[in-house]
Amino acid sequence: AQSVTQLGSHVSVSEGALVLLRCNYSSSVPPYLFWYVQYPNQGLQLLLKYTSAATLVKGINGFEAEFKKSETSFHLTKPSAHMSDAAEYFCAVSHNNAGNMLTFGGGTRLMVKP
Amino acid sequence: DAGVIQSPRHEVTEMGQEVTLRCKPISGHDYLFWYRQTMMRGLELLIYFNNNVPIDDSGMPEDRFSAKMPNASFSTLKIQPSEPRDSAVYFCASSPSATGELFFGEGSRLTVL
Repeated sequence: AQSVTQLGSHVSVSEGALVLLRCNYSSSVPPYLFWYVQYPNQGLQLLLKYTSAATLVKGINGFEAEFKKSETSFHLTKPSAHMSDAAEYFCAVSHNNAGNMLTFGGGTRLMVKP
Repeated sequence: DAGVIQSPRHEVTEMGQEVTLRCKPISGHDYLFWYRQTMMRGLELLIYFNNNVPIDDSGMPEDRFSAKMPNASFSTLKIQPSEPRDSAVYFCASSPSATGELFFGEGSRLTVL
């Protein structure tokens, strides 16, 4: 079965520092991988997705993620954190051909210190 | 478009009562998903529909849970009877074919006393 594991349920960075949120996947076939963001009291929003085109995927709000098959990883990064980036981030893998039946990781709460 | 619309946003009920959560997907989206979010279990897929037909309901926890999609613009998730362990935020999401992107509603926060 396909699954994702997010390392670190909480990550704290200073404003302006690098953001690195880790995600490793388990899949027997090339996966579709996603990062979603959830702000307090809201639903999830898509940040970016990997669908076997370019291995470096750029998303909204300056985030990007790199698909590394050798490491089975899809870590999310942003060069410089902003206070508005404070939220919960979910990595997800798809199960169906449409690419939209998702299994989510446990989430990582990002805190940004001034 | 107004996005995915869920109601009610908050529901507090007593154990044993029936609960009905409602969802209006984005027009033109042919997939609809129901997820449940709790601190202990994270985000769990309960059931999803394609063109109003249930495709996979393996995530529905037990027979107390049922979901319907009578038409392309409306779906319900019903819990009868409700139990305290059903307390969670229930999300509805819709998706157009073959894009992989889910559009989530703001969720319905259910508290069962």
